[in-house]
Amino acid sequence: GIQVEQSPPDLILQEGANSTLRCNFSDSVNNLQWFHQNPWGQLINLFYIPSGTKQNGRLSATTVATERYSLLYISSSQTTDSGVYFCAVGGGGGNKLTFGTGTQLKVEL
Amino acid sequence: GAVVSQHPSRVICKSGTSVKIECRSLDFQATTMFWYRQFPKQSLMLMATSNEGSKATYEQGVEKDKFLINHASLTLSTLTVTSAHPEDSSFYICSAREQTELYFGPGTRLTVT
Repeated sequence: GIQVEQSPPDLILQEGANSTLRCNFSDSVNNLQWFHQNPWGQLINLFYIPSGTKQNGRLSATTVATERYSLLYISSSQTTDSGVYFCAVGGGGGNKLTFGTGTQLKVEL
Repeated sequence: GAVVSQHPSRVICKSGTSVKIECRSLDFQATTMFWYRQFPKQSLMLMATSNEGSKATYEQGVEKDKFLINHASLTLSTLTVTSAHPEDSSFYICSAREQTELYFGPGTRLTVT
């Protein structure tokens, strides 16, 4: 099956700093989503981005499908950004998503 | 965005008993729902795909007889953990697709004593 690797695995930032999270996948995909898992376990949808670039406030994402990677940018980070960020991909005819390894982000004052 | 609910949010049961977890799509219909499992500090692993009106499709290594899935309507899927054991303790999360995106429920934390 498809393999999804995320980097870095852990990241500590000072409030106000910017960061870039990366997601590499091993095969062609027709679905890619980024999620933020909060401390209570809820997965929050950030982006549906199988290709191209999107922005939503302080967050933006870019997927280069031909090179099999996606990037999530967080600008002016806040303590509420802390948590785990997952990318998840889907390919072929199925609807299911395979999750990446995750990036644990901690934003400190 | 679309809303998916789960019930209960937390359950503690004794070893050998069965536990049922409900997953509902609140504002949309879902012919397909997905059940994931997450161990502490790990990623989400897909357990099975729940299909309305037909049998579920299980991922390799997931015991069909232990994790019973029923998708009786377009808004409800249930996961029953049968004869639970301590190693079944985990965080179970359901999801449903609304148009192009997958939306997730808040999860159910199962503890088997």
